[in-house]
Amino acid sequence: GDSVTQMEGPVTLSEEAFLTINCTYTATGYPSLFWYVQYPGEGLQLLLKATKADDKGSNKGFEATYRKETTSFHLEKGSVQVSDSAVYFCALSDRAGKSTFGDGTTLTVKP
Amino acid sequence: DAGVTQSPTHLIKTRGQQVTLRCSPKSGHDTVSWYQQALGQGPQFIFQYYEEEERQRGNFPDRFSGHQFPNYSSELNVNALLLGDSALYLCASSGIAGTDLEGYTFGSGTRLTVV
Repeated sequence: GDSVTQMEGPVTLSEEAFLTINCTYTATGYPSLFWYVQYPGEGLQLLLKATKADDKGSNKGFEATYRKETTSFHLEKGSVQVSDSAVYFCALSDRAGKSTFGDGTTLTVKP
Repeated sequence: DAGVTQSPTHLIKTRGQQVTLRCSPKSGHDTVSWYQQALGQGPQFIFQYYEEEERQRGNFPDRFSGHQFPNYSSELNVNALLLGDSALYLCASSGIAGTDLEGYTFGSGTRLTVV
């Protein structure tokens, strides 16, 4: 079945540091790929998405590129802020309507 | 524009009891999916409802059942509760002909504790 593997956390960075959170996937067919963010005590919020190979999703300074050849969708941000502290989930969605999530990576940004 | 609303926000039940969780999707969305999120883990897919029918199901026992109403709202029922059912239950809606290729909108979840 489909699966998503994220880099293990937690990740701790200083403000304005560069962020990379790795995500690789296994899927049949051509899934859509997503990054979701979960702030403490809240549900998940869609951060960005890419629906086909070589697409780049971007939002709020975060970016991720759908790499079919490496089955990856790494999340990057050039300069993180304290307010970016949260849990980040990589996910894929198949054409049949089912999403598979990674286990999440906790990011803490210190001033 | 209201997002996904779930009720109740918190719930404590005893082993063996039954529970019903409720979800109203985002306006304009017609598909509802339910997820179980254990502490420190990613959401696990339970099932998805579209056009009042269960469309997809994850690896959950028959104790987990659901329903979708004509107004697209949905219920998740869990019978014979076990301690291991304690988790955050998330409802997510999407609205492109029953697919979620554009991503879900999630509710804030119902925290279920089984004692």
